[in-house]
Amino acid sequence: KNEVEQSPQNLTAQEGEFITINCSYSVGISALHWLQQHPGGGIVSLFMLSSGKKKHGRLIATINIQEKHSSLHITASHPRDSAVYICAVPYSGGGADGLTFGKGTHLIIQP
Amino acid sequence: GAGVSQSPRYKVAKRGQDVALRCDPISGHVSLFWYQQALGQGPEFLTYFQNEAQLDKSGLPSDRFFAERPEGSVSTLKIQRTQQEDSAVYLCASSLSVGNQPQHFGDGTRLSIL
Repeated sequence: KNEVEQSPQNLTAQEGEFITINCSYSVGISALHWLQQHPGGGIVSLFMLSSGKKKHGRLIATINIQEKHSSLHITASHPRDSAVYICAVPYSGGGADGLTFGKGTHLIIQP
Repeated sequence: GAGVSQSPRYKVAKRGQDVALRCDPISGHVSLFWYQQALGQGPEFLTYFQNEAQLDKSGLPSDRFFAERPEGSVSTLKIQRTQQEDSAVYLCASSLSVGNQPQHFGDGTRLSIL
């Protein structure tokens, strides 16, 4: 089973700051997911990536397959970005798998 | 609606009762997943369906947990003889096809066992 580690576990920052959340995993994978969960809310898929970098608005995700590491960046952070950000990879590394999740990073952006 | 729908949204049951949780995936989605999320933790994989076939049930914590998707669309997760440690949010997700696909999550069912 793939093991996923995220850091930091908690992060509080001021509005406008550049945010970085890190994720590492133990077994080679076909793709990695970044997800967002608001308190009491459902989970929204932000990115799925298998190489390089993807950008959507102020969010950027990068992955280094060789190092088994991914980062999620938020530029010009805003209080509405406050949420739990979760990294997830296929349960056993392959494509037709359920996901195994990191414990999440609790992000608070203060005005 | 266009998203994954789960019902009920909240369920309270007494220890020892059986419960059934329903998931309506996005229409046409082949893959369906069930996850369990304990308070303050990340979700944990329970089981996976490809159409009506249950291809992986390795995450089900005990034989009290049973899932089905008889016609390849709606799925039901059943928990028999519930115990307090079954209290959690049960999340359902679906994806369009097999392989590397974004998963679309429902809002979950929050189960509380008294």
